[in-house]
Amino acid sequence: KNQVEQSPQSLIILEGKNCTLQCNYTVSPFSNLRWYKQDTGRGPVSLTIMTFSENTKSNGRYTATLDADTKQSSLHITASQLSDSASYICVVSGLSGYSTLTFGKGTMLLVSP
Amino acid sequence: DTEVTQTPKHLVMGMTNKKSLKCEQHMGHRAMYWYKQKAKKPPELMFVYSYEKLSINESVPSRFSPECPNSSLLNLHLHALQPEDSALYLCASSQRGDGASGNTIYFGEGSWLTVV
Repeated sequence: KNQVEQSPQSLIILEGKNCTLQCNYTVSPFSNLRWYKQDTGRGPVSLTIMTFSENTKSNGRYTATLDADTKQSSLHITASQLSDSASYICVVSGLSGYSTLTFGKGTMLLVSP
Repeated sequence: DTEVTQTPKHLVMGMTNKKSLKCEQHMGHRAMYWYKQKAKKPPELMFVYSYEKLSINESVPSRFSPECPNSSLLNLHLHALQPEDSALYLCASSQRGDGASGNTIYFGEGSWLTVV
């Protein structure tokens, strides 16, 4: 069964600090992995999308890594800001279309002043 | 700012009411989706339209009825809902009708539905 596990479930960090969120998946065959940021009560916003051949991709202060061999991904946030407080969702896509889009449960990040 | 627009942002309806959620995108995307999201849970896929044809219905009860009038619009008609249907309903779109590489899925802000 396709699964996406994220850790930690929740995280509190001080403003200005860095943090790393983890995503492990068992989706096979694998097509791509996406990270989304979802503010409370709003729709998810895409941060990055990575295929199996990509090891790292950056979007501003967000850097995603992917190890397709170990089926692990991480999202590193640098110099955190209060506006980074949100849920970060890892979504893994298989090769056969929408039904194989598997969502993780998300990591709730709170950046404290 | 999201380029997928959903209306209304909030909707309260009784169990005997008929209402509709609307979604619009002008990015030329050919796939549009409805997701349901309960609090602190990931979104759950409900329907997928590809090239204006319903291609996936994830065993959604018939009290939810999707409609795609054209490539830019997606509606979700609601009738005889239950209180447990209260959730955030997300519309999304993507350029292509599959989950392939580079096919970013753009989500709308969502419509908060409360069934009383």
